[in-house]
Amino acid sequence: QVQLVQSGSELKMPGASVKVSCKASGYTFTSYPMNWVRQAPGQGLEWMGWISPSTGNPTYAQGFTGRFVFSLDTSVSTAYLQISSLKAEDTAVYYCANTRGYNTHNWFDPWGQGTLVTVSS
Amino acid sequence: DIQMTQSPSSLSASVGDRVSITCRASRSISTYLNWYQQQPGRAPNLLIYAASSLQSGVPSRFSGSGSGTDFTLTISSLRPEDFATYYCQQSYSTLPTFGQGTKLEIK
Repeated sequence: QVQLVQSGSELKMPGASVKVSCKASGYTFTSYPMNWVRQAPGQGLEWMGWISPSTGNPTYAQGFTGRFVFSLDTSVSTAYLQISSLKAEDTAVYYCANTRGYNTHNWFDPWGQGTLVTVSS
Repeated sequence: DIQMTQSPSSLSASVGDRVSITCRASRSISTYLNWYQQQPGRAPNLLIYAASSLQSGVPSRFSGSGSGTDFTLTISSLRPEDFATYYCQQSYSTLPTFGQGTKLEIK
């Protein structure tokens, strides 16, 4: 079945970097855009942007430029989110999710299980 | 950006109740509206897409309606597993946005 499996929780010091992975299976990896969504503790969902698995071209939402980088390794059907110069406010669960849809409608499905990144000294 | 506002922010109800959650867009989004359910500690799960289409595998007690700026998610008869947080999301814009969520709690 279609599945996105993310890497495990991370505990990082402020100023460090983290790389979260999202491995896809059950479909052709290059067929569907991959999104990243952030959820801070006790908060709602915030779309960070997406990357085209066919071209590798990323698009970042406002507020997620500079320290955030989306990348891919199509040989292993995996998308990555790297965050540099980590701050306490980056503490959150990060989700990957496919864009699926038909005609002009689209939605996020499936989702990875989420990766908790904790930034603390 | 298109702002999405859900009401209420929280809701208490009992098993068997019929409940509705409203989502309002800051401008018309036609039917480019999706609904997700999130259980505590779990990833969101797609319930409804294109305002009223039920995702495969989702129970028929869930339904969605609306177009333009006003949308509704209705659960016809609450079951214990339905107590969760619900989010709407617009896909009209190239910058998708979510509502702030509605937490459905057991009364």
